Amino acid sequence: EVQLVESGGGLVPPGGSLRLSCEASGFTFNDFWMSWVRQTPGKGLEWVANIQGDGSVKTYVDSVKGRFTLSRDNAKNSLFLQMNSLRAEDTAVYYCARGWKVPPGVYFDYWGQGTLVTVSS
Amino acid sequence: EIVMTQSPATLSVSPGERATLSCRASQSVSSNLAWYQQKPGQAPRLLIYGASTRATGIPARFSGSGSGTEFTLTISSLQSEDFAVYYCQQYHYWYTFGQGTKLEMK
Repeated sequence: EVQLVESGGGLVPPGGSLRLSCEASGFTFNDFWMSWVRQTPGKGLEWVANIQGDGSVKTYVDSVKGRFTLSRDNAKNSLFLQMNSLRAEDTAVYYCARGWKVPPGVYFDYWGQGTLVTVSS
Repeated sequence: EIVMTQSPATLSVSPGERATLSCRASQSVSSNLAWYQQKPGQAPRLLIYGASTRATGIPARFSGSGSGTEFTLTISSLQSEDFAVYYCQQYHYWYTFGQGTKLEMK
């Protein structure tokens, strides 16, 4: 059974940093793209970033480029999102999702339960 | 950015009836479209990919159609567990989601 478990969310002041983690199980982790998708009541669902199975390709939505860094540790079946220079508009539930590659993109076939990030002073 | 527009925002349907949800893309996404179901307090769940292919374990009452800019998700006979919010998502050029259609019990 595919499982994705996020952790690392919390309350952080504007300009602060946070590192999200996602532990995967039930599939061959390094065979799959992995993604972060966030959700807010106002903006709905928003794709944040993708990383290829071997970590060689990473893509980001423009609003987080230069602030967020996506990485993975295939030996530990883990995905990470380092978030720096956080802004109020980054407040959201962040979901880890497995990506199924179908050129030109991926769709998200399994999702974790999400972790809440709140950026506020 | 490709904008995905879903209609209606809220759809009221009785159990056992058919529900038809629409999704429109601001430019062609070919068949690179997925549908998700989300219940309160839960993560989205993949229903359909490639515009019309059901994901693993999804009941046959869910069907998707369309290509280019116009897409439809049809639930042929609504069950109580189908009342939820439904999102479309394109993966043709980057990734964008619609704002969702809330399917509520009439």
